[in-house]
Amino acid sequence: SAVISQKPSRDICQRGTSLTIQCQVDSQVTMMFWYRQQPGQSLTLIATANQGSEATYESGFVIDKFPISRPNLTFSTLTVSNMSPEDSSIYLCSVEVGGAYGYTFGSGTRLTVV
Amino acid sequence: DAKTTQPPSMDCAEGRAANLPCNHSTISGNEYVYWYRQIHSQGPQYIIHGLKNNETNEMASLIITEDRKSSTLILPHATLRDTAVYYCIVRRFGNEKLTFGTGTRLTIIP
Repeated sequence: SAVISQKPSRDICQRGTSLTIQCQVDSQVTMMFWYRQQPGQSLTLIATANQGSEATYESGFVIDKFPISRPNLTFSTLTVSNMSPEDSSIYLCSVEVGGAYGYTFGSGTRLTVV
Repeated sequence: DAKTTQPPSMDCAEGRAANLPCNHSTISGNEYVYWYRQIHSQGPQYIIHGLKNNETNEMASLIITEDRKSSTLILPHATLRDTAVYYCIVRRFGNEKLTFGTGTRLTIIP
């Protein structure tokens, strides 16, 4: 299966600022997925990122708030912009390698906005 | 994708088999059943998936009923490290998205 390195693992940020989260995969993948997990909740898909095209956002998520970059087949970033305390969550990236392994998830970025 | 229904929580004694049920009564013919788990403070981990036949791997067994409207994930000899939230997900073949429900919080009791 793929190995995902996600950075930072956690951060505490001031409201009104932005944070960029990086996701590095050890193999080339077509699609990368970004999820949000609010405290005590399940995972919610934010967007799907394909290399060379704009990300596809799910209902309730917009590019101005969560811009995503996908410069190559092994890397993606998610920015949480103009943060408020409601953005305090765990953000996770995920890829599907195929075969018997399903989807692999990064360990997540725990974001606290104060 | 079809919705799934899981009990919110379950307990299981250490060393016993943990049987986690999932209802997916509106599943269609090209939808697979996937199971993931999320141990506290970690990303979800793939466990197993199947279409209509029972499946087994080194982690678990998946039993899918003949009408495919429900399934059971079996952890044969539960350990304390199996304490986690377990998610049953139904996903169309060729649909890349995983849609998570609320899952079952499994607690293994010493």
